[in-house]
Parts: sequence; C-alpha cells; structure tokens
Amino acid sequence: GNSVTQMEGPVTLSEEAFLTINCTYTATGYPSLFWYVQYPGEGLQLLLKATKADDKGSNKGFEATYRKETTSFHLEKGSVQVSDSAVYFCALSRNSGGSNYKLTFGKGTLLTVNP
Amino acid sequence: DTAVSQTPKYLVTQMGNDKSIKCEQNLGHDTMYWYKQDSKKFLKIMFSYNNKELIINETVPNRFSPKSPDKAHLNLHINSLELGDSAVYFCASSPGGSWSEQYFGPGTRLTVT
Repeated sequence: GNSVTQMEGPVTLSEEAFLTINCTYTATGYPSLFWYVQYPGEGLQLLLKATKADDKGSNKGFEATYRKETTSFHLEKGSVQVSDSAVYFCALSRNSGGSNYKLTFGKGTLLTVNP
Repeated sequence: DTAVSQTPKYLVTQMGNDKSIKCEQNLGHDTMYWYKQDSKKFLKIMFSYNNKELIINETVPNRFSPKSPDKAHLNLHINSLELGDSAVYFCASSPGGSWSEQYFGPGTRLTVT
C-alpha cells in the first residue's frame, strides 16, 4: 500500500538556521506529493506541492523537489523564523478507485524555532 | 468568509453518549472528507464523500456514521462514545483529482470522559 515516512521530531532550531525535514514515500505509479503545515490550534493548510518527477514546489521560502529515483520529497528552508514553528506533514495523493483520490500522511514533524 | 467551517470547536461528553459534528464548505467543491488526529498528531482519513455519495470508508467502527445532506455539508454522528474516540476531528474539502489540495476546517476537539 501507499505510505509516507518523515523524520521524527521534534526539531528545535535557532532563528535563521537552515531547515531540512526528510520525507520518503512508497507508492505505485506516480503520486502527487504535498507538504502541509499545521500551526498551533489550527487546521492543516497546504504549504507546497509537486505533481510529477523533478518538479520543485516552493512557497514562503520553503522548497521541496519531487525525486522519483530516491522516492523523496524533502522540505528545506534556508533561514527559519519564529513564526515557522508548527507541525509539518508530508503527504501523497493516489487514486483510490474511479476518480477518487486519497491523501496518505506522514506522522508529522514538530518544528520549534527559538529567537 | 470561512471556507471550511466546523461546529462545535470543542465537545466534552461522557462515555456512552451520542454526539454529532457538523461541517460546511462554501468553496463549491465536490469532495469532502473526515479525518481523525490522535494525541500524537497522527492523521488518518475516515470517510470521503463525492457529490453526496460515500466513496471512501476506512476501517472505522460502525458507531461512526457520516451523512451528507448536500455537497456543501458533511456531518459526522458518533454513537456510544468511547474513551478512545477522544481526538481532534478535521473536515476537509477538495475539487478532486490527485493534484488538488485539500482545504481543512479548524477542527473539533472531542474529549470523552
């Protein structure tokens, strides 16, 4: 079946540090890949996505590249801010029958950025 | 305007009770979902509806019954609540397709005592 593995947290960084959160996936065919972010007390919101191999998704200084050869979609940011403190989820979307698609999430990585 | 809204935001109840959570989306999407997030933040899909038709039903106890009166609404009714049902429940909607993002509601924190 489909699965997503992302690095265990929590991750604690100082402001302006470099961030990497690793994500690898298992899926048949060519899934779409997503990073969602959940700020404290809120629902999830899309951070970025990539729909085919070698695509790079980017938003708010975050980037991730769809690497089919390594089945990975690692999230990076060059200089984190305190406001980036949140839980980050890697996810893939695959067909679950007919025209229906299902998101499979990783376990989430809690990021805390200290001033 | 809130895109995906849920009520109530908090729900505290006793074991054995029956409760409902309501969800509404004003995005015109065809597909809606219910997710359960446990205390370790792990998210798991429970149900999905497309145009009022149930299309995904994961291995969820039959005490949980979703209902979609129209494509903008998806409610979740839970019978005979158990301690293990305590979690945050998220509703989401999507226009469909593997590349489509899902839009999440703010969540309902259910506590069963």
